[in-house]
Amino acid sequence: KNQVEQSPQSLIILEGKNCTLQCNYTVSPFSNLRWYKQDTGRGPVSLTIMTFSENTKSNGRYTATLDADTKQSSLHITASQLSDSASYICVVSSFNAGKSTFGDGTTLTVKP
Amino acid sequence: DADVTQTPRNRITKTGKRIMLECSQTKGHDRMYWYRQDPGLGLRLIYYSFDVKDINKGEISDGYSVSRQAQAKFSLSLESAIPNQTALYFCATSDLGGGEQYFGPGTRLTVT
Repeated sequence: KNQVEQSPQSLIILEGKNCTLQCNYTVSPFSNLRWYKQDTGRGPVSLTIMTFSENTKSNGRYTATLDADTKQSSLHITASQLSDSASYICVVSSFNAGKSTFGDGTTLTVKP
Repeated sequence: DADVTQTPRNRITKTGKRIMLECSQTKGHDRMYWYRQDPGLGLRLIYYSFDVKDINKGEISDGYSVSRQAQAKFSLSLESAIPNQTALYFCATSDLGGGEQYFGPGTRLTVT
């Protein structure tokens, strides 16, 4: 069964600090991995996408990494801001399936 | 105007009532999805459609039905609402399997 596991479940950091969120998956055959940001009460919005051949992808202060051999990805947020407070969802797609597998998300709270 | 719209945005209904949630998109995508999200939990797929003639059950389809009236419209119905269907419901679209999903603003449904 295709699965996506995210850790930690929740995280609290101080404004200006960095943090790293983890995603492990068992989806096969792998097509791509996306990180989404979901603000409270809103729909998720895509931050980054990585395919099999990509190891790192950046979007401003967000940097995603992918290790396709170990089936792990991370999302690193630098110099956090209050607006980074949200849920971050890892989504993995397979070539065979028409739909993607969603992780349960990591809830990040950035405090002043 | 938003690319993916959902109506209503908020709805309170009573146990046993039939209710329909509507989703429209202007992105020209063939693929549409319905998800539910419970507080503190991840998104769970209810139904998805790859085109007007293709409807597929997701992981939690019991108690729900859908209708794909046109490429741009995908409706979710609760035939007889029950309290544990109280949740936030999201519609999403994508142009490809594994492609970025674009989410609507969500419908907050409360069943009393």
